[in-house]
Amino acid sequence: NAGVMQNPRHLVRRRGQEARLRCSPMKGHSHVYWYRQLPEEGLKFMVYLQKENIIDESGMPKERFSAEFPKEGPSILRIQQVVRGDSAAYFCASSPPGQANEKLFFGSGTQLSVL
Amino acid sequence: GQNIDQPTEMTATEGAIVQINCTYQTSGFNGLFWYQQHAGEAPTFLSYNVLDGLEEKGRFSSFLSRSKGYSYLLLKELQMKDSASYLCAARGNTGFQKLVFGTGTRLLVSP
Repeated sequence: NAGVMQNPRHLVRRRGQEARLRCSPMKGHSHVYWYRQLPEEGLKFMVYLQKENIIDESGMPKERFSAEFPKEGPSILRIQQVVRGDSAAYFCASSPPGQANEKLFFGSGTQLSVL
Repeated sequence: GQNIDQPTEMTATEGAIVQINCTYQTSGFNGLFWYQQHAGEAPTFLSYNVLDGLEEKGRFSSFLSRSKGYSYLLLKELQMKDSASYLCAARGNTGFQKLVFGTGTRLLVSP
């Protein structure tokens, strides 16, 4: 059973370009979370999605960031017009439906570097 | 506000016992989690406490005091492979996994 798959592992973008980060949750998991880890900081919650629904996006910057989890295919975190401050590790995590105390299964992250 | 505090770095020797402390302040509380993260890798789940007391799982144990806003992770019989960052995270009352993480404690185990 494959774990949470994120790609790419490393992504380099120039300022002003778009970044697309992909996440395939574990089989049977319908809940997807995105967290961001800035250098020397803790993981910060960005958004929580279920299939075709954004449940909580309170951690998403108001502009340039969007997320989706379509009926078919991976979850996508999209960052438009990237700036240097967007450089960070972006982790996706998934959990099965139902129980609130379920642990999160994290992917290995996408390291975004903005030049 | 929401705040998680844990030491930045700790060192210990192989075979020893180490305790990593964590204090938290969150608006609403519904559980305290510990994750392990090796450099460049995914965080992996270690433990979950929602009631006061000690949860033991092999070489690792986790303790919670809700009245004090305090938790610790205890690692026994340390091995070199335990060198990693240990992340303390608190969950609020949302009913899903919206966690507030500390900055992590980097543990270095030496021979």
